[in-house]
Amino acid sequence: EVQLVESGGNLVQPGGSLRLSCAASGFTFSGYWMTWVRQAPGKGLEWVANIKQDGSEKYYVDSVKGRFTISRDNAKNSLYLQMNSLRAEDTAVYYCARDCSGHSYGPGFDPWGQGTLVTVSS
Amino acid sequence: SYELTQSPSVSVSPGQTARITCSGDALPKQYAYWYQQKPGQAPVLVIYKDSERPSGIPERISGSSSGTTVTLTISGVQAEDEADYYCQSADSNGTYRVFGTGTKVTVL
Repeated sequence: EVQLVESGGNLVQPGGSLRLSCAASGFTFSGYWMTWVRQAPGKGLEWVANIKQDGSEKYYVDSVKGRFTISRDNAKNSLYLQMNSLRAEDTAVYYCARDCSGHSYGPGFDPWGQGTLVTVSS
Repeated sequence: SYELTQSPSVSVSPGQTARITCSGDALPKQYAYWYQQKPGQAPVLVIYKDSERPSGIPERISGSSSGTTVTLTISGVQAEDEADYYCQSADSNGTYRVFGTGTKVTVL
């Protein structure tokens, strides 16, 4: 069974840092792009960042460029999101998802993890 | 930045048809995807490449595309279809992913 499990969400003060992790299982992790998506409380989905299979390409939504860094460790089947200079507007549930670019589904996201909550507040 | 626009809400009686539209300038060039999200749950892919259905998704859920608009159709709506639905695609270069604003489907 393909499974993604996020961890690392927490309450953090504005200006602080947090590192999210996503553990993947049930598929060849190194064969897929991976992505992070977030959802602020009561709001819609927002794509945050994605990373190519070997980590050579990374893309970010404008609002997190220069503050967030996506990375992966294929040996550990793990995806990460390092979040620095956090702001109140970064408060959200953060989901990791398998990005199916280059596979039969094309550039869509399937499956998704259950999400981890990041709260930025003093 | 690139945007995808959806109608905010749709209300439909059981057994009727719900149609959700998503508009974006790059949709003639880029595939569209649809996700269903129920309260407290992660989104689930229900349509990929404009009109393809993943295994396990009921046949009453379908997708179509015409120019700068894609449409998700739910035929014979059931109570379990009540959820938020999001379209997703990419910018014209295929580099950046983007989600639509979301549509809440209410089954009366």
